Amino acid sequence: SQQGEEDPQALSIQEGENATMNCSYKTSINNLQWYRQNSGRGLVHLILIRSNEREKHSGRLRVTLDTSKKSSSLLITASRAADTASYFCATPYGGATNKLIFGTGTLLAVQP
Amino acid sequence: DTGVSQDPRHKITKRGQNVTFRCDPISEHNRLYWYRQTLGQGPEFLTYFQNEAQLEKSRLLSDRFSAERPKGSFSTLEIQRTEQGDSAMYLCASRGTGAQGHYGYTFGSGTRLTVV
Repeated sequence: SQQGEEDPQALSIQEGENATMNCSYKTSINNLQWYRQNSGRGLVHLILIRSNEREKHSGRLRVTLDTSKKSSSLLITASRAADTASYFCATPYGGATNKLIFGTGTLLAVQP
Repeated sequence: DTGVSQDPRHKITKRGQNVTFRCDPISEHNRLYWYRQTLGQGPEFLTYFQNEAQLEKSRLLSDRFSAERPKGSFSTLEIQRTEQGDSAMYLCASRGTGAQGHYGYTFGSGTRLTVV
């Protein structure tokens, strides 16, 4: 089953604009991860934020985490056409297994 | 280290046939996962190996599915008597422990299965 929901399900913006997508999750977490998936391809790890962190940056990516609301957001600044992809949040679950439980994803389309 | 490799990239099979997929993880990663992803959904966990031991299987993994990881290196996922509902992308991921890598997982490009 999915860990949570992502919002919006789809987002269309122009190049140069910022894109924000949100993720909600259900259980307590040690960390939350964001992945990108280009059409028909595997997932690429973007950034990880630990439960004791509130904000993290990596290049044009900014991730926030609010454990009291069980939510996270991913901001992509100055978007490019190459950012067009699906974005998923995921949390490790299951003790030693640490299997990832994914959200439903946000499909981002950046128009040139 | 060339990442996680999956073979084949695409597989079209007739209903009722058996199929087998292969995953070659990053060589120093001892943890290997299989996921299934249907269109418009996030990946769903199928099974987990630590070295050669299969330590967890999802309820999604019916008795028609079997996975192995002999010698703790590559892994295979076999689906017997395929059904149209098995059509999906099958993703493999590997992960090291501790100093071997960050907490993120490395995914392969997946095998897209179409059952006709």
